Amino acid sequence: NAGVTQTPKFRILKIGQSMTLQCTQDMNHNYMYWYRQDPGMGLKLIYYSVGAGITDKGEVPNGYNVSRSTTEDFPLRLELAAPSQTSVYFCASTYGQINEQYFGPGTRLTVT
Amino acid sequence: AQTVTQSQPEMSVQEAETVTLSCTYDTSESNYYLFWYKQPPSRQMILVIRQEAYKQQNATENRFSVNFQKAAKSFSLKISDSQLGDTAMYFCAFMSLIIQGAQKLVFGQGTRLTINP
Repeated sequence: NAGVTQTPKFRILKIGQSMTLQCTQDMNHNYMYWYRQDPGMGLKLIYYSVGAGITDKGEVPNGYNVSRSTTEDFPLRLELAAPSQTSVYFCASTYGQINEQYFGPGTRLTVT
Repeated sequence: AQTVTQSQPEMSVQEAETVTLSCTYDTSESNYYLFWYKQPPSRQMILVIRQEAYKQQNATENRFSVNFQKAAKSFSLKISDSQLGDTAMYFCAFMSLIIQGAQKLVFGQGTRLTINP
């Protein structure tokens, strides 16, 4: 298993541009999550999904959108990028309610 | 709302020494889980150890153990016989269950641990 994969690894955006961060897991996990990690801080939950077709907001959802059309994929969309969205983005997945979350390697995004 | 506080931004010890990282949390829930995650320079988040709040026995994983004090809402991580590969950011995290069984992880600010040769 590849686990949780994220693309791209790095990206620089100009203010106002849009992009999609890709996340794929091959472990047949039903729950998937998107986090952001600002410099020197812990991770904060942006959006989560409990299964295909079902998503909900986390702690810091403003400026982002998600979709979950398949069990494997959970893309994160940034519309109208702003400097405040400069961060490292992590995707994670888990099976069941109390099991360990498996994290992807992260995407470092800079908005200038 | 739950909060997690790690009061030690940085720590540094010599190889083979024992080090303890502190974590306190605030919650009104009675059933929850606590985790310590390690984040090396590669940025990968790696689970170190977990503790179920309903268990009185402290969790242990090889050289890693916790001191879980539920009444004090304290959850410290002890690393014994520290190794160079333990150098990383360490995050304490509180987990509760939200809608339809999804997990909500709340992270502390992290402690940067350096193991010196």
